[in-house]
Amino acid sequence: SQKIEQNSEALNIQEGKTATLTCNYTNYSPAYLQWYRQDPGRGPVFLLLIRENEKEKRKERLKVTFDTTLKQSLFHITASQPADSATYLCALGGSGGYQKVTFGTGTKLQVIP
Amino acid sequence: DTAVSQTPKYLVTQMGNDKSIKCEQNLGHDTMYWYKQDSKKFLKIMFSYNNKELIINETVPNRFSPKSPDKAHLNLHINSLELGDSAVYFCASSPLRGGADTGELFFGEGSRLTVL
Repeated sequence: SQKIEQNSEALNIQEGKTATLTCNYTNYSPAYLQWYRQDPGRGPVFLLLIRENEKEKRKERLKVTFDTTLKQSLFHITASQPADSATYLCALGGSGGYQKVTFGTGTKLQVIP
Repeated sequence: DTAVSQTPKYLVTQMGNDKSIKCEQNLGHDTMYWYKQDSKKFLKIMFSYNNKELIINETVPNRFSPKSPDKAHLNLHINSLELGDSAVYFCASSPLRGGADTGELFFGEGSRLTVL
C-alpha cells in the first residue's frame, strides 16, 4: 500500500541551528513533491515544490532535496528561529492523476530560544 | 480579500443530523478539493473537482456528497452524521488543470465539525 512517512512526531532544536525534516514514501511515483507549513488552528500554507527531475530547490532559508531512488525528500531550515515552530507537511502529487495531492503524517518542529 | 473561504468555521451537531460546509475561492483556480484532518492531524484527501467535474473520489462513505455549482464553489454535504465524522474539514484550490501542470494548494482556514 502507499505510504508517506515523516520523521518523528516532534523535533526540538536550538535556535540558530539547522532543522532537517525527512519525508519517505513507498509505492508512489510522484511527479512532484511539495512542502507545507501548518500553524495551530490554521490551514496549511505552501512553501516549496520540487519536481521529479530536480535534485534540490532553495528559497531563502529553506532547502529541499528530492531523491527518487531513495524515495526520500529532505527539508532543511537553516538559522532556525522560534517563529519557524510549526507542523511541516510533505505532499506528493502526480501519482494517480496530476491533481491528486497526498499528504504525509507531518512533523511538529519546535525551535527553542 | 480572503482567497479560500469556508463557512462555518465551527459546527457542533448531534449524531444523525445532516449538515453542509460551504467553500468559495476567488483565485480563478480550476481545481478544488476537500480534505479531512483527523485528531492525529493527518490530512486525507476526500474529493476533487476540476471545473465543476468530479475527478477524485476517495474511499469516502456515500453519506458525504460534494457539489460544485461553478468552479469557484465547492460545498460538502454530510448526511446522518456519526461520531467518527468529527474532524477539521479543509477546502483547497489549485491552478492545476492536469497534464504536466503542478501547482500549490491554497487552503481555507478549516471547518471544525464536532458530532455529539
